[in-house]
Amino acid sequence: DIVMTQSPDTLAVSLGERASINCKSSQNILYSSNNRNSLAWYQQKPGQPPKLLIIWTSIRETGVPDRFSGSGSGTDFTLTISNLQAEDVAVYYCQQSYTVPLTFGGGTRVEIK
Amino acid sequence: QVQLQQSGPGLVKPSQTLSLTCVISGDSVSRNTAAWNWLRQSPSRGLEWLGRTYYRSEWLHDYAPSVAGRIFIDADTSKNQFSLQLASVTPGDTAVYYCAGEFFLDSWGQGTLVIVSS
Repeated sequence: DIVMTQSPDTLAVSLGERASINCKSSQNILYSSNNRNSLAWYQQKPGQPPKLLIIWTSIRETGVPDRFSGSGSGTDFTLTISNLQAEDVAVYYCQQSYTVPLTFGGGTRVEIK
Repeated sequence: QVQLQQSGPGLVKPSQTLSLTCVISGDSVSRNTAAWNWLRQSPSRGLEWLGRTYYRSEWLHDYAPSVAGRIFIDADTSKNQFSLQLASVTPGDTAVYYCAGEFFLDSWGQGTLVIVSS
């Protein structure tokens, strides 16, 4: 299985500041057919299912605010939330769709400082 | 917009079979570029993908090794739904179970808390 490792576990950021979440895959997840890394980011709020934010490392889903951005290459990826808003308080997960079993990181809780 | 509606019991006895159903609206379970997944989430296991079914001229399945041998996912085209069966459950299978659609999981059911207890 591909192991996805996220850091930090918890992140406290002031409103309007930047939050950066890291994700490392245990092996290459580059999809050869489109030369993109098969990496997604999700946001989960209490009592709700995860919500897909970003696919293929950096492509925002429709309706996702542009303060959310994804980057990375190789086995290292980052989700950045610029200008943190109160509604961004949540747990964030990375996930690889390169191969089965699909696997998720352990989650990063973002709080307001 | 795709919507997924889950149903099934929230309490299952140990050694019995957990059964959940996910009804799809706004898409077709047999669309030949789609994939239909089951996942679960618990404090001890985090988010865990269990398996998926998809149609590519025939019905195909992928299952997680952690539950292989106990899991069965199938689709019912007449009802536009797909289902999860997990056999021989133990308290360790207690979790919130989700259905989700696609290669990247862009649509999710509401979640079903399933408790395994006698």
